[in-house]
Amino acid sequence: QKEVEQDPGPLSVPEGAIVSLNCTYSNSAFQYFMWYRQYSRKGPELLMYTYSSGNKEDGRFTAQVDKSSKYISLFIRDSQPSDSATYLCAMRARDDYKLSFGAGTTVTVRA
Amino acid sequence: ETGVTQTPRHLVMGMTNKKSLKCEQHLGHNAMYWYKQSAKKPLELMFVYSLEERVENNSVPSRFSPECPNSSHLFLHLHTLQPEDSALYLCASSQDRLAGGETQYFGPGTRLLVL
Repeated sequence: QKEVEQDPGPLSVPEGAIVSLNCTYSNSAFQYFMWYRQYSRKGPELLMYTYSSGNKEDGRFTAQVDKSSKYISLFIRDSQPSDSATYLCAMRARDDYKLSFGAGTTVTVRA
Repeated sequence: ETGVTQTPRHLVMGMTNKKSLKCEQHLGHNAMYWYKQSAKKPLELMFVYSLEERVENNSVPSRFSPECPNSSHLFLHLHTLQPEDSALYLCASSQDRLAGGETQYFGPGTRLLVL
Protein backbone atom coordinates (compact mmCIF):
# COMPACT_ATOMS: atom_id res chain seq x y z
CA GLN A 1 0.00 0.00 0.00
CA LYS A 2 1.33 3.43 -0.94
CA GLU A 3 1.80 5.82 1.94
CA VAL A 4 -0.17 8.54 0.12
CA GLU A 5 -2.82 7.80 -2.47
CA GLN A 6 -3.97 10.44 -4.94
CA ASP A 7 -6.18 9.91 -7.97
CA PRO A 8 -4.06 10.98 -10.96
CA GLY A 9 -7.09 12.06 -12.99
CA PRO A 10 -7.03 13.72 -15.40
CA LEU A 11 -9.86 15.95 -14.29
CA SER A 12 -11.53 18.29 -16.79
CA VAL A 13 -14.08 20.88 -15.68
CA PRO A 14 -15.74 23.92 -17.26
CA GLU A 15 -14.74 27.38 -16.16
CA GLY A 16 -16.56 28.44 -13.01
CA ALA A 17 -17.01 24.89 -11.68
CA ILE A 18 -15.83 23.71 -8.28
CA VAL A 19 -12.77 21.48 -8.45
CA SER A 20 -12.51 18.84 -5.74
CA LEU A 21 -9.22 17.06 -5.13
CA ASN A 22 -8.33 14.61 -2.41
CA CYS A 23 -5.67 12.35 -0.96
CA THR A 24 -5.77 9.51 1.51
CA TYR A 25 -2.87 8.38 3.64
CA SER A 26 -1.93 5.56 5.93
CA ASN A 27 0.55 7.07 8.41
CA SER A 28 -1.29 8.37 11.47
CA ALA A 29 1.82 10.35 12.50
CA PHE A 30 1.31 12.88 9.70
CA GLN A 31 0.41 16.26 11.15
CA TYR A 32 1.37 18.80 8.50
CA PHE A 33 -0.46 18.81 5.20
CA MET A 34 0.31 20.73 2.06
CA TRP A 35 -1.00 21.24 -1.41
CA TYR A 36 1.38 22.20 -4.17
CA ARG A 37 0.45 23.43 -7.64
CA GLN A 38 2.73 22.53 -10.52
CA TYR A 39 2.33 24.11 -13.93
CA SER A 40 3.72 22.33 -16.95
CA ARG A 41 7.53 22.51 -17.10
CA LYS A 42 7.70 24.27 -13.72
CA GLY A 43 8.55 23.25 -10.19
CA PRO A 44 5.86 22.77 -7.53
CA GLU A 45 4.75 25.92 -5.73
CA LEU A 46 3.20 25.85 -2.27
CA LEU A 47 -0.50 26.59 -2.42
CA MET A 48 -1.93 25.68 0.97
CA TYR A 49 -0.41 24.58 4.28
CA THR A 50 -2.43 23.23 7.20
CA TYR A 51 -1.67 21.72 10.56
CA SER A 52 -3.69 18.86 12.02
CA SER A 53 -7.44 18.62 11.38
CA GLY A 54 -9.73 21.40 10.24
CA ASN A 55 -10.35 23.78 7.37
CA LYS A 56 -8.29 26.58 5.94
CA GLU A 57 -9.48 29.06 3.35
CA ASP A 58 -7.42 31.33 1.11
CA GLY A 59 -9.36 33.16 -1.55
CA ARG A 60 -10.91 30.62 -3.90
CA PHE A 61 -9.02 27.74 -2.27
CA THR A 62 -10.15 25.68 0.72
CA ALA A 63 -8.10 22.91 2.28
CA GLN A 64 -9.70 20.37 4.58
CA VAL A 65 -8.02 17.78 6.79
CA ASP A 66 -9.83 14.91 8.48
CA LYS A 67 -7.22 13.05 10.49
CA SER A 68 -9.73 10.53 11.85
CA SER A 69 -10.39 9.36 8.28
CA LYS A 70 -6.81 10.04 7.07
CA TYR A 71 -8.27 12.11 4.27
CA ILE A 72 -7.41 15.56 2.96
CA SER A 73 -9.14 17.66 0.34
CA LEU A 74 -8.58 20.78 -1.72
CA PHE A 75 -11.49 22.69 -3.21
CA ILE A 76 -11.13 25.35 -5.88
CA ARG A 77 -14.19 27.59 -6.27
CA ASP A 78 -15.00 29.54 -9.43
CA SER A 79 -12.26 27.70 -11.30
CA GLN A 80 -10.35 29.56 -14.00
CA PRO A 81 -8.34 28.32 -16.99
CA SER A 82 -5.26 29.58 -15.13
CA ASP A 83 -5.97 26.90 -12.49
CA SER A 84 -5.09 24.22 -15.06
CA ALA A 85 -2.13 22.43 -13.51
CA THR A 86 -1.10 19.33 -11.61
CA TYR A 87 -1.93 19.45 -7.92
CA LEU A 88 0.26 17.51 -5.50
CA CYS A 89 -0.64 16.70 -1.94
CA ALA A 90 2.20 16.33 0.54
CA MET A 91 2.39 15.61 4.23
CA ARG A 92 4.84 14.94 7.01
CA ALA A 93 5.08 14.02 10.64
CA ARG A 94 6.09 16.43 13.37
CA ASP A 95 9.86 16.98 13.54
CA ASP A 96 10.39 15.00 10.35
CA TYR A 97 11.75 16.81 7.32
CA LYS A 98 10.66 14.09 4.91
CA LEU A 99 7.63 14.95 2.84
CA SER A 100 5.48 12.12 1.50
CA PHE A 101 3.87 13.08 -1.78
CA GLY A 102 0.90 11.91 -3.76
CA ALA A 103 1.45 11.24 -7.46
CA GLY A 104 -0.48 14.40 -8.41
CA THR A 105 -3.84 15.10 -10.07
CA THR A 106 -3.85 16.85 -13.44
CA VAL A 107 -6.65 19.41 -13.74
CA THR A 108 -7.82 21.17 -16.88
CA VAL A 109 -10.30 24.04 -16.65
CA ARG A 110 -11.99 24.59 -20.01
CA ALA A 111 -12.82 28.16 -21.03
CA GLU B 1 17.11 36.41 -8.17
CA THR B 2 14.59 35.24 -5.63
CA GLY B 3 13.52 31.89 -4.25
CA VAL B 4 15.19 28.76 -5.55
CA THR B 5 16.90 28.75 -8.94
CA GLN B 6 18.19 25.82 -10.95
CA THR B 7 20.46 25.58 -13.99
CA PRO B 8 20.38 24.32 -16.62
CA ARG B 9 16.63 24.12 -17.19
CA HIS B 10 17.04 21.45 -19.86
CA LEU B 11 19.85 18.95 -20.39
CA VAL B 12 20.39 16.21 -22.95
CA MET B 13 23.30 13.89 -22.33
CA GLY B 14 24.68 10.61 -23.55
CA MET B 15 25.24 7.71 -21.22
CA THR B 16 29.01 8.31 -21.15
CA ASN B 17 28.83 12.03 -20.44
CA LYS B 18 29.53 13.82 -17.18
CA LYS B 19 27.39 16.82 -16.30
CA SER B 20 26.36 18.77 -13.23
CA LEU B 21 23.09 20.33 -12.11
CA LYS B 22 23.22 23.47 -10.02
CA CYS B 23 20.78 24.81 -7.45
CA GLU B 24 20.91 28.08 -5.55
CA GLN B 25 18.53 29.29 -2.87
CA HIS B 26 18.11 32.94 -1.93
CA LEU B 27 15.86 32.35 1.08
CA GLY B 28 18.43 32.08 3.84
CA HIS B 29 17.48 28.46 4.45
CA ASN B 30 19.68 25.86 6.13
CA ALA B 31 18.46 22.68 4.45
CA MET B 32 18.49 21.70 0.77
CA TYR B 33 17.07 18.70 -1.06
CA TRP B 34 17.30 16.90 -4.40
CA TYR B 35 14.20 15.15 -5.73
CA LYS B 36 13.51 13.11 -8.86
CA GLN B 37 10.11 13.49 -10.51
CA SER B 38 9.05 10.90 -13.07
CA ALA B 39 5.75 10.89 -14.93
CA LYS B 40 2.76 9.68 -12.90
CA LYS B 41 4.93 8.90 -9.86
CA PRO B 42 5.31 10.70 -6.54
CA LEU B 43 8.38 12.82 -6.00
CA GLU B 44 11.31 10.69 -4.89
CA LEU B 45 13.64 12.18 -2.30
CA MET B 46 17.26 11.61 -3.30
CA PHE B 47 19.50 13.62 -0.98
CA VAL B 48 19.16 15.99 1.94
CA TYR B 49 21.74 18.43 3.24
CA SER B 50 21.46 20.32 6.50
CA LEU B 51 24.04 23.03 7.18
CA GLU B 52 26.18 21.57 4.37
CA GLU B 53 26.19 18.10 5.94
CA ARG B 54 24.56 15.26 4.06
CA VAL B 55 21.90 13.72 6.27
CA GLU B 56 20.07 11.53 3.78
CA ASN B 57 21.11 9.35 0.90
CA ASN B 58 17.95 7.58 -0.11
CA SER B 59 19.47 4.47 -1.77
CA VAL B 60 20.46 6.52 -4.79
CA PRO B 61 22.85 4.89 -7.31
CA SER B 62 26.44 6.12 -7.15
CA ARG B 63 26.17 7.59 -10.64
CA PHE B 64 24.47 10.51 -8.85
CA SER B 65 26.86 12.43 -6.64
CA PRO B 66 25.70 15.47 -4.62
CA GLU B 67 27.81 18.32 -3.38
CA CYS B 68 26.89 21.14 -1.01
CA PRO B 69 29.74 23.68 -0.72
CA ASN B 70 27.66 26.09 1.41
CA SER B 71 24.10 26.50 2.64
CA SER B 72 23.04 28.42 -0.48
CA HIS B 73 24.36 26.10 -3.18
CA LEU B 74 23.72 22.49 -4.07
CA PHE B 75 25.05 20.47 -6.99
CA LEU B 76 24.18 17.11 -8.45
CA HIS B 77 27.02 15.56 -10.43
CA LEU B 78 25.94 13.05 -13.05
CA HIS B 79 28.04 10.37 -14.76
CA THR B 80 27.34 7.23 -16.80
CA LEU B 81 23.59 7.70 -16.47
CA GLN B 82 21.00 5.33 -17.86
CA PRO B 83 17.97 6.19 -20.04
CA GLU B 84 15.69 5.44 -17.08
CA ASP B 85 17.32 8.35 -15.26
CA SER B 86 15.52 10.73 -17.61
CA ALA B 87 13.24 12.82 -15.41
CA LEU B 88 12.67 16.24 -13.90
CA TYR B 89 15.20 16.89 -11.13
CA LEU B 90 13.94 19.29 -8.51
CA CYS B 91 15.87 21.16 -5.88
CA ALA B 92 14.12 22.39 -2.73
CA SER B 93 15.07 24.21 0.44
CA SER B 94 13.62 24.73 3.89
CA GLN B 95 14.50 26.84 6.89
CA ASP B 96 15.54 23.86 8.97
CA ARG B 97 15.08 20.17 8.32
CA LEU B 98 13.47 19.60 11.69
CA ALA B 99 11.45 22.77 12.18
CA GLY B 100 7.90 21.87 13.04
CA GLY B 101 6.11 24.58 11.12
CA GLU B 102 8.27 24.58 8.06
CA THR B 103 7.82 23.26 4.58
CA GLN B 104 9.92 23.06 1.46
CA TYR B 105 10.17 25.49 -1.43
CA PHE B 106 11.01 24.18 -4.87
CA GLY B 107 13.01 25.40 -7.82
CA PRO B 108 11.77 25.12 -11.40
CA GLY B 109 13.64 21.89 -12.04
CA THR B 110 16.06 20.58 -14.66
CA ARG B 111 14.48 18.44 -17.36
CA LEU B 112 17.05 15.71 -18.06
CA LEU B 113 17.03 13.41 -21.06
CA VAL B 114 19.56 10.60 -21.23
CA LEU B 115 20.09 9.12 -24.66
